[in-house]
Amino acid sequence: DQQVKQNSPSLSVQEGRISILNCDYTNSMFDYFLWYKKYPAEGPTFLISISSIKDKNEDGRFTVFLNKSAKHLSLHIVPSQPGDSAVYFCAASTTNAGGTSYGKLTFGQGTILTVHP
Amino acid sequence: KAGVTQTPRYLIKTRGQQVTLSCSPISGHRSVSWYQQTPGQGLQFLFEYFSETQRNKGNFPGRFSGRQFSNSRSEMNVSTLELGDSALYLCASSRSSGTYNEQFFGPGTRLTVL
Repeated sequence: DQQVKQNSPSLSVQEGRISILNCDYTNSMFDYFLWYKKYPAEGPTFLISISSIKDKNEDGRFTVFLNKSAKHLSLHIVPSQPGDSAVYFCAASTTNAGGTSYGKLTFGQGTILTVHP
Repeated sequence: KAGVTQTPRYLIKTRGQQVTLSCSPISGHRSVSWYQQTPGQGLQFLFEYFSETQRNKGNFPGRFSGRQFSNSRSEMNVSTLELGDSALYLCASSRSSGTYNEQFFGPGTRLTVL
């Protein structure tokens, strides 16, 4: 049962254009969402996160949008740069009533982003 | 501030052996989580430790175990290795204070079981 899904295995965009990476989830208990970037043979690097009380969070070239009713989130990268080429993972967690997630992130399968010069 | 460190980076073992992997979290982080990444299953949560106690556990057999020390460093152990245990093992640390806490990952340990 895959609770977090990234349905696009790959995405190719031109340098300077917008990259939009999508993620869907099925568990309505998820209330905190994160995006990570990963290069081969390295650990994931945290990019940006959003809690379920918001519908948008922005950090520089990265913006994450959350649509709770559709159980969908997306990561926008503007403008895209060749150095952004990597695998992007979305992840979700559930915080309990005490406000901790007990360290468990559920990951999607990842989307390979290629930005062409 | 130093990031999460993992040792060793690469390991080759044979079936039936056991292995211990080590993780040092970012200074001040009290929570350490472990994940397994394989091509077929993706990134899967193994367990999480906080203040030397396992707080959460994923769906892995009992051959996978871990512990955390008083300085928040953590180790995970896999006994009776199987070929399917070949994977990238990642640990991540977080402050685990407040409601929402990002996890920061180490570079991983690449385990190959022959």
